[in-house]
Amino acid sequence: NAGVTQTPKFRILKIGQSMTLQCTQDMNHNYMYWYRQDPGMGLKLIYYSVGAGITDKGEVPNGYNVSRSTTEDFPLRLELAAPSQTSVYFCASTSPDRVYYNEQFFGPGTRLTVL
Amino acid sequence: GNSVTQMEGPVTLSEEAFLTINCTYTATGYPSLFWYVQYPGEGLQLLLKATKADDKGSNKGFEATYRKETTSFHLEKGSVQVSDSAVYFCALSEGTGAQKLVFGQGTRLTINP
Repeated sequence: NAGVTQTPKFRILKIGQSMTLQCTQDMNHNYMYWYRQDPGMGLKLIYYSVGAGITDKGEVPNGYNVSRSTTEDFPLRLELAAPSQTSVYFCASTSPDRVYYNEQFFGPGTRLTVL
Repeated sequence: GNSVTQMEGPVTLSEEAFLTINCTYTATGYPSLFWYVQYPGEGLQLLLKATKADDKGSNKGFEATYRKETTSFHLEKGSVQVSDSAVYFCALSEGTGAQKLVFGQGTRLTINP
């Protein structure tokens, strides 16, 4: 199993550009998450999904959109990039079958810089 | 709301020193508690966990005990190695519903030979 994969690894955007961060997992996990990690800070939840067709906002959703058309994929869209969105983005997944041991599996991250 | 507070870093130790990284939490209900580790250039990976009061999680020589009375989950290791250099995150989850994690700010640990 590849686990959770993310593309691209690095990206530089100009203010106002848009892009999609890709996330795919091959563990058949129903639950998927997007986090951002700012320098010296913990991870903050942007959006999450408990299954295909179901998404919900996390702590910091402004400026982002998500969709979940399949169990495997959970892309994150930035429509109008702003410098405040410069961050490292992590995708994660977990299975609700392990309710009392809900380890989340993380991808390697996408480092995004908006100039 | 739920929150996690970790001791401020960075922390620098010599090899074979004793390590403690403090973590306290505020939560409603009965959260599960986790320590995640992030090695340079990588994503986070689970180090250990505890799901109820007085549980002790352990892995790779690291230990943490879920203390409900002090709302703490401090990470300890008796003898650190250079390979333990990483950023350590304490986190909690309600363990129900969407199983969202709330993270502390992370503590950067550097071990010198």
